[in-house]
Amino acid sequence: DGGITQSPKYLFRKEGQNVTLSCEQNLNHDAMYWYRQDPGQGLRLIYYSQIVNDFQKGDIAEGYSVSREKKESFPLTVTSAQKNPTAFYLCASSTLAGTGNTEAFFGQGTRLTVV
Amino acid sequence: DAKTTQPTSMDCAEGRAANLPCNHSTISGNEYVYWYRQIHSQGPQYIIHGLKNNETNEMASLIITEDRKSSTLILPHATLRDTAVYYCIVRVEGNTGKLIFGQGTTLQVKP
Repeated sequence: DGGITQSPKYLFRKEGQNVTLSCEQNLNHDAMYWYRQDPGQGLRLIYYSQIVNDFQKGDIAEGYSVSREKKESFPLTVTSAQKNPTAFYLCASSTLAGTGNTEAFFGQGTRLTVV
Repeated sequence: DAKTTQPTSMDCAEGRAANLPCNHSTISGNEYVYWYRQIHSQGPQYIIHGLKNNETNEMASLIITEDRKSSTLILPHATLRDTAVYYCIVRVEGNTGKLIFGQGTTLQVKP
């Protein structure tokens, strides 16, 4: 089945450690996104990518890094510079804006807890 | 910044139609309106989208005003499983391609 997969579902890390969240899609989508969601809040855009080897900062990129070495994969690293990393992280993919009116598909999210 | 404005919360009786409004007064001519919903602790789910004509699918109907500055998502017969946060999004066209979410509307369907 085609879809977008995030792993792991739950992740615990000690403060000061970097951690990488996985996002893989087999939908042949060019665009991929990372969002952060805090309790009772909406989704905030961290990074997005429209093509391999290129990505742009979203609204809250500080303390995060990404890579896009393959079309299918868009991993997010939460670095020790992120002051409040505990949150629910969502990955999404879609076709490119302007190529057609298609929806974005979301993964089921990774809940990161930093202790 | 989000380009849409939605009420924070709404209630609806089970079996009744739920009408969720969204304002997008700065929408450009080639931008689509998308609706998603998010059930607690899950990824958002696509519902419907439109440009300027009204749209209907198996989940919902989308009514877009003639000036395109606002829209309404209609769930014709709301069930308890429709309790969720509903997001109205304007798809940014051009080189950015960003998907910007607002705070959404929390819909509570009551028995």
